[in-house]
Amino acid sequence: GAVVSQHPSWVICKSGTSVKIECRSLDFQATTMFWYRQFPKQSLMLMATSNEGSKATYEQGVEKDKFLINHASLTLSTLTVTSAHPEDSSFYICSARSARSVDTEAFFGQGTRLTVV
Amino acid sequence: AQSVTQLDSQVPVFEEAPVELRCNYSSSVSVYLFWYVQYPNQGLQLLLKYLSGSTLVKGINGFEAEFNKSQTSFHLRKPSVHISDTAEYFCAVSDHQAGTALIFGKGTTLSVSS
Repeated sequence: GAVVSQHPSWVICKSGTSVKIECRSLDFQATTMFWYRQFPKQSLMLMATSNEGSKATYEQGVEKDKFLINHASLTLSTLTVTSAHPEDSSFYICSARSARSVDTEAFFGQGTRLTVV
Repeated sequence: AQSVTQLDSQVPVFEEAPVELRCNYSSSVSVYLFWYVQYPNQGLQLLLKYLSGSTLVKGINGFEAEFNKSQTSFHLRKPSVHISDTAEYFCAVSDHQAGTALIFGKGTTLSVSS
């Protein structure tokens, strides 16, 4: 199946700094990518939908100025957590889905464990 | 909008016993249904999906699920589990629009012991 690569797999940063997470679709063009956040022992909460070449669509309650999403090409989307605080510590997972209607499966990155100290 | 309810947050079971993980969904439009498995600190791996056609779907690792439209359910089953099946299982739904997000249930922790 298709591969989505997410980097880094884990990161520790100091409070107040920014962290960038990359999500790449390695063998297909992902017009749309999705960013999820997962708290311990909980489900994946959709944060935003990222469309190539346009602004991301954020879910209600997600601060767009804090979680900056850029989808500059058909194979790369980035999530930048700005001015990170300990409450931003979480597991972040990206997902990519082909724009072709026959490709209904969503492929997931391996996730990024962010710890803000 | 769609939503997913996974009725059991934890399911403990002994090795080689059968297991069923329950999933119900809500949607005003036709949906695709998925089951994913997640191992600790890893991403999600697709177990199986229902798109159309036969309501009994077979997936990887011996899992299967049955789509029941009248009961809006998509329960996951395995006739005989292994220790290695211990993981978090997520049911997910999406509409038929290309490129839309999957909406996930809260997950079920399957714990298999010997």
